[in-house]
Amino acid sequence: DAGITQSPRHKVTETGTPVTLRCHQTENHRYMYWYRQDPGHGLRLIHYSYGVKDTDKGEVSDGYSVSRSKTEDFLLTLESATSSQTSVYFCAISSRDGRGNEQFFGPGTRLTVL
Amino acid sequence: AQSVTQPDIHITVSEGASLELRCNYSYGATPYLFWYVQSPGQGLQLLLKYFSGDTLVQGIKGFEAEFKRSQSSFNLRKPSVHWSDAAEYFCAVGSGGYQKVTFGTGTKLQVIP
Repeated sequence: DAGITQSPRHKVTETGTPVTLRCHQTENHRYMYWYRQDPGHGLRLIHYSYGVKDTDKGEVSDGYSVSRSKTEDFLLTLESATSSQTSVYFCAISSRDGRGNEQFFGPGTRLTVL
Repeated sequence: AQSVTQPDIHITVSEGASLELRCNYSYGATPYLFWYVQSPGQGLQLLLKYFSGDTLVQGIKGFEAEFKRSQSSFNLRKPSVHWSDAAEYFCAVGSGGYQKVTFGTGTKLQVIP
């Protein structure tokens, strides 16, 4: 299994509070991604990173920000959590090695915003 | 923009029966195609992938998938389903540049004795 951890694994918070989720990898992969998973929607890309300090928006980026100051860490921040951000969040990593863009996933973080 | 359609939300099969999960994609060039499986409460695990070459791809756990360019399809098959195959299955299409992947909405497989 790819070395990807996410923390926390579960979190309950209140509307309006800031929340930061952490993804940590030990694979030294260049690419990192944050997805959210909701019933009926599959996985939707929030933000991704293609290197240290290089990030870009995905399809559902409103209300989220990210940072990547080290290769191994990719942080997802909800500046002011809303109930619509209740979801399961997955981090993924990928390397470009000539075999395409296979992604490896972390175990997920279940976030509940009350 | 690339997209993936999984037309079946739920599928129920008997243990030992064959399985086919459908996936249609939209992408302008030759796509990278994937099937992932997710067991309850778990992350996603890659079953198989297609990049180029042989259009019939073998994966883990006895699964295979066939890329059909003319039909824009990448259906997943297994000849004999086991109870442990009950899970949710996601088809995905990837593109070059930053390696973004678009997922389908998933098919939940139930296996009955």
